[in-house]
Amino acid sequence: GAGVSQSPRYKVAKRGQDVALRCDPISGHVSLFWYQQALGQGPEFLTYFQNEAQLDKSGLPSDRFFAERPEGSVSTLKIQRTQQEDSAVYLCASATEENIQYFGAGTRLSVL
Amino acid sequence: SQQGEEDPQALSIQEGENATMNCSYKTSINNLQWYRQNSGRGLVHLILIRSNEREKHSGRLRVTLDTSKKSSSLLITASRAADTASYFCAPWRSNMRFGAGTRLTVKP
Repeated sequence: GAGVSQSPRYKVAKRGQDVALRCDPISGHVSLFWYQQALGQGPEFLTYFQNEAQLDKSGLPSDRFFAERPEGSVSTLKIQRTQQEDSAVYLCASATEENIQYFGAGTRLSVL
Repeated sequence: SQQGEEDPQALSIQEGENATMNCSYKTSINNLQWYRQNSGRGLVHLILIRSNEREKHSGRLRVTLDTSKKSSSLLITASRAADTASYFCAPWRSNMRFGAGTRLTVKP
């Protein structure tokens, strides 16, 4: 595709509900990153894939957060039993070999 | 981990003036990148400078890198209202972390 696509753009969840956020990276990009961005803050690293391998998940805030990229292309970030503090924009980026990152527009998650 | 810290946190200038933002980091890097984020959007890559480079230009952007001081600067010349955005530096080695950014406001 022309760029990184994230869906949905907006998600409202009730506290305790599970959510799944999707990222379609740029075709051919090996690396894929997930970030969480609170209002007025910079993106906080969550996790990083190279192809289907999850090389770094040190930024995932709790075991309620899970990410996968089973075929080395599309990735899904899943949040189980959502809490109000999970409300944020979730950004996905795919990267070139030199790690120039191309970001999607993000998914804005609101947990009520 | 690699994390850039931008300074100042906020900068307000008049259109036509130059804007300078600084970045500091703590460990060795392969390259350092600058990104821009308009409100409500994803980040957009602006420029990459490699660890063996000292200065790089791209249009109205000029980036410097001083690996001995572990610092970088981004200069935007002849600023425009459309340059209003948050700017982030991103040092890269084996991973990348973003700081809180510099919020630039260019007044018309």
